[in-house]
Amino acid sequence: GDSVTQTEGPVTVSESESLIINCTYSATSIAYPNLFWYVRYPGEGLQLLLKVITAGQKGSSRGFEATYNKETTSFHLQKASVQESDSAVYYCALGEAGNMGYKLTFGTGTSLLVDP
Amino acid sequence: EAAVTQSPRSKVAVTGGKVTLSCHQTNNHDYMYWYRQDTGHGLRLIHYSYVADSTEKGDIPDGYKASRPSQENFSLILELASLSQTAVYFCASGDWGGYAEQFFGPGTRLTVL
Repeated sequence: GDSVTQTEGPVTVSESESLIINCTYSATSIAYPNLFWYVRYPGEGLQLLLKVITAGQKGSSRGFEATYNKETTSFHLQKASVQESDSAVYYCALGEAGNMGYKLTFGTGTSLLVDP
Repeated sequence: EAAVTQSPRSKVAVTGGKVTLSCHQTNNHDYMYWYRQDTGHGLRLIHYSYVADSTEKGDIPDGYKASRPSQENFSLILELASLSQTAVYFCASGDWGGYAEQFFGPGTRLTVL
């Protein structure tokens, strides 16, 4: 089946340092999956951070960016300079439209702690 | 104000007891979903619904029932709770179609003792 593997947390980074959270996927049943990063702040539900529908394209939001690389089946999340408010759990996911509306397959989540 | 709410936010249940988790959405979405997350796993789909009075099985439906009495409300029912059902449960809503974003509730932490 389809699967997503991402950096195992927790990850601790000092404020203003750079960040990369790795994400690789295996899409055995989907020819062209859509790729997503969701974020879960403490006490809140998951919310969409960014998405990329087309291979080779880059998505960006709130200073984060990720490039959909079909050759390496990767979708790494990067930020040049993190802030304390970025402390959260980040989930990589692949998705496809189908009978169930939109099926998402999630990674395990990466907990990020930013030291002030 | 939050568009997807869940209740309770946390619950302790006894093995063999009945547990009902509730979800309410104000997004006017047709689709609603129940996921569970365990340590070391991503979110996994339990049940979903695309219209009131109808529910469908997701990837891990065993031991769970679902109920969708209205477009806004979607419940997850554990008739006989077991230790293995200790997890965090998330509800989400979304529209049909390509690239449709799902909107999540804050989660319910369920502990079965």
